[in-house]
Amino acid sequence: DQQVKQNSPSLSVQEGRISILNCDYTNSMFDYFLWYKKYPAEGPTFLISISSIKDKNEDGRFTVFLNKSAKHLSLHIVPSQPGDSAVYFCAANAGGTSYGKLTFGQGTILTVHP
Amino acid sequence: KAGVTQTPRYLIKTRGQQVTLSCSPISGHRSVSWYQQTPGQGLQFLFEYFSETQRNKGNFPGRFSGRQFSNSRSEMNVSTLELGDSALYLCASSAQPQDTNTEAFFGQGTRLTVV
Repeated sequence: DQQVKQNSPSLSVQEGRISILNCDYTNSMFDYFLWYKKYPAEGPTFLISISSIKDKNEDGRFTVFLNKSAKHLSLHIVPSQPGDSAVYFCAANAGGTSYGKLTFGQGTILTVHP
Repeated sequence: KAGVTQTPRYLIKTRGQQVTLSCSPISGHRSVSWYQQTPGQGLQFLFEYFSETQRNKGNFPGRFSGRQFSNSRSEMNVSTLELGDSALYLCASSAQPQDTNTEAFFGQGTRLTVV
């Protein structure tokens, strides 16, 4: 049972344009969501997070949107840069007794073309 | 501030052997979580330690175990290795347990190959 899904395995975007990465979840107990960027053979790098009490959080070029009723979140990168090319994972935490357990999606490979 | 340090970076073991992986969290962080990343299963949670106590465990067999020391450093052990244990093992640290909604910062991982 995959509780966090990233349905697009890959996304290709032109430099300077917007990249939109999507994530859906099924567990209504999830109350904290994170996005990570990962290069091959490296650990994930934290990008941005959002609590379920918010519907938007911005940090520089990165904005995360949360739609709780649709159980959907998205990461917007504007403008996209070639250095953004990596695998992007969304992750969710249910808090409470879930403690340190993050549930990850399968990842989306973002390629930004110069 | 130094990041999360995992040692060794690469490891090759034979089926049936055991292996111990080490993780030093960011200074001041008391929560350490372990994850396994494989091409087929993605990133899967193994367990989390906070103040030397295991607080949560994922769906892995008992061959996977861990511990945390008083200085917050953590080790993960896998006994009786199987070919399917070949993976990238990632350690993450956070200042508070994840249930207080803090970010987890990952190390570079240990690439384990079982032959």
